[in-house]
Amino acid sequence: EVQLVQSGAEVKKPGESLRISCYGSGYNFNNFWVNWLRQKPGTGLEWMGYINPSDSYTKYSPSFQGHVTFSVDKSITTAYLQWSSLKVSDSAMYYCATSSGAEIDYWGQGALVNVSS
Amino acid sequence: QSALTQPASVSGSPGQSITISCTGTSSDVGHNSHVSWYQHHPDKAPKLLIYEVSNRPSGVSNRFSGSKSANTASLTISGLQAEDEADYFCSSRSSSGPLWVFGGGTKLTVL
Repeated sequence: EVQLVQSGAEVKKPGESLRISCYGSGYNFNNFWVNWLRQKPGTGLEWMGYINPSDSYTKYSPSFQGHVTFSVDKSITTAYLQWSSLKVSDSAMYYCATSSGAEIDYWGQGALVNVSS
Repeated sequence: QSALTQPASVSGSPGQSITISCTGTSSDVGHNSHVSWYQHHPDKAPKLLIYEVSNRPSGVSNRFSGSKSANTASLTISGLQAEDEADYFCSSRSSSGPLWVFGGGTKLTVL
């Protein structure tokens, strides 16, 4: 069974750094992109970009380029989403999800990030 | 504001059928066949119900069906059951900007 398990909720202050994780199991981790998506309260999902675990190639949506960083550790089949300096506007639910082709298929349960002074 | 437009809520009684629409543009829904639908129960991971407009992954009930006309995709749930009560959202590959765009989600209430 394919499973993506995300790290827990985080409470941070503006300017702090953060890394959240997404652990994949039940499939060949190298064969599927890991996408990251953001959802703010009352709004739809936004695709942030993806990382290809096999070679760590990344593609960022223009709206997120330069503000977040994707990485993977293939040895523990885990993908990461990282911020070096959080803003209040980064407060949202973040999802990881795999894509095997032109569709996003398996999702994590989401990780809530709350940035407040 | 979401890239794709869905009704905020729909409702139906057990056994009935409902349809949820997802309206985009000629750059996304109208541009390709890579339209998907997902079911999302609170505090759980979203689940893929429909891909490529009308295909069901293995294990998804045939009570769920999808279609598309021009810039609007639709999800139909027939024979409504209590466990169908959830949020449903659509997505589409896009030819401009982000690779995927999403609807704002529709809350289904089973009366």
